[in-house]
Amino acid sequence: EAQVTQNPRYLITVTGKKLTVTCSQNMNHEYMSWYRQDPGLGLRQIYYSMNVEVTDKGDVPEGYKVSRKEKRNFPLILESPSPNQTSLYFCATAGGTGNTGELFFGEGSRLTVL
Amino acid sequence: RKEVEQDPGPFNVPEGATVAFNCTYSNSASQSFFWYRQDCRKEPKLLMSVYSSGNEDGRFTAQLNRASQYISLLIRDSKLSDSATYLCVLLQGGGKLIFGQGTELSVKP
Repeated sequence: EAQVTQNPRYLITVTGKKLTVTCSQNMNHEYMSWYRQDPGLGLRQIYYSMNVEVTDKGDVPEGYKVSRKEKRNFPLILESPSPNQTSLYFCATAGGTGNTGELFFGEGSRLTVL
Repeated sequence: RKEVEQDPGPFNVPEGATVAFNCTYSNSASQSFFWYRQDCRKEPKLLMSVYSSGNEDGRFTAQLNRASQYISLLIRDSKLSDSATYLCVLLQGGGKLIFGQGTELSVKP
C-alpha cells in the first residue's frame, strides 16, 4: 500500500527542546516537501526536496532544518522550538519534480510548543 | 494581497442542495489549478484538476476563468459525506504549489 508516514502524530514539548518529525514514503517519489497549516493561513511550504541531497527553502523556513540522505526519508528538525511553531505539520510527496499538482500527504503531526 | 483567496465559510447547506465555491488568484502566470479536499483533522487529498474548458467528475464540476483569474467548484446533489474543507491550489512556475486557506462545507440532513 502506498504510504507517507509521519511520526510522531502528536507531540507536546517545551521551548528550546530539539525535536525531529520523521517522514517516510514507500512510493519511490523524488519530490518531498514539508508544510505547516495554521488557521486562516492555509498550508505554507517550509522546505522541499527534489531528490537525494537536494533541498530548498519554501515560504517559511525560519526555525527549521531538513535533510534528504535517502530517497524515502525527509525529516523535519526543529533545533530550538518556539511557541510560534505550534502548528499542524504535513509531509507530502510527488512523483518527478512535483510539478504535476498531485501531492500525497502524510496524516499530519500536531505539534504544541509550550 | 494574498496569492490565493477563498471564502472560508462555513457554507451550511441541506442534503441535495447545489453549492458553489469560488477562488480568486493574483498571479496571472499560474499554470495549473486544482481542488483538494480536506476532512477534519486529516490530510488533504486531490479532488480534481481544473481545466480551461471546464471538467466534470460525477457531481463535481470545476471551471477556470483566466481572464477574471478565478476558479470555481460546483457540487450538485450534496451528500452528508461531502462535508469537508475544499482547498483551491495553484501550480506556479518551478513547481511551486500555492494553497488557499480553504472553504468549509457542512451538509446537513
